[in-house]
Amino acid sequence: DAGITQSPRHKVTETGTPVTLRCHQTENHRYMYWYRQDPGHGLRLIHYSYGVKDTDKGEVSDGYSVSRSKTEDFLLTLESATSSQTSVYFCAISSMNTEAFFGQGTRLTVV
Amino acid sequence: QQQVKQSPQSLIVQKGGISIINCAYENTAFDYFPWYQQFPGKGPALLIAIRPDVSEKKEGRFTISFNKSAKQFSLHIMDSQPGDSATYFCAAESVNDMRFGAGTRLTVKP
Repeated sequence: DAGITQSPRHKVTETGTPVTLRCHQTENHRYMYWYRQDPGHGLRLIHYSYGVKDTDKGEVSDGYSVSRSKTEDFLLTLESATSSQTSVYFCAISSMNTEAFFGQGTRLTVV
Repeated sequence: QQQVKQSPQSLIVQKGGISIINCAYENTAFDYFPWYQQFPGKGPALLIAIRPDVSEKKEGRFTISFNKSAKQFSLHIMDSQPGDSATYFCAAESVNDMRFGAGTRLTVKP
């Protein structure tokens, strides 16, 4: 497996609480992405990063923020979790226009 | 708007048959078209990929056909096996952007 680790792997949280998911890579890839996976929707891009402190929004960014202070870490924060954010979250890493490597996913449940 | 449209949503094929999954994209800036395979509880993993300077790429039982003018590409799985049962995602990439289709759940019956 490519050196990409997501934490936590599972989390249950209450509506209205902040949640941070972590993606850590050891591959020194420039690009890092956060996706959510929901039945019938495939993988939808939340935010991505093309370098340290360089981030941009994806197609479903509302309610999410990200930070990348180091090449190896990309954090996804749900400022105030809602039930609609219950999902499986995947981090991916890549170099430009090449194969992406995915983490094992984080299953988040908001109750 | 959905930038990559994938069909069908689900597919059932008999062992030994051919599985065909289709994708269409909107953005002509996309220049890398991979297919990912995902098993339950796992992250997607690259299966095969193509760039738009070729119309076909084959790796073992897996073939991508690419039609640049129609902005369409497809995955063909020959001699489908039960072990191919998984969810398949097409994707389209350009600089700073990577978008996925909605996925196809393939079931290969013995």
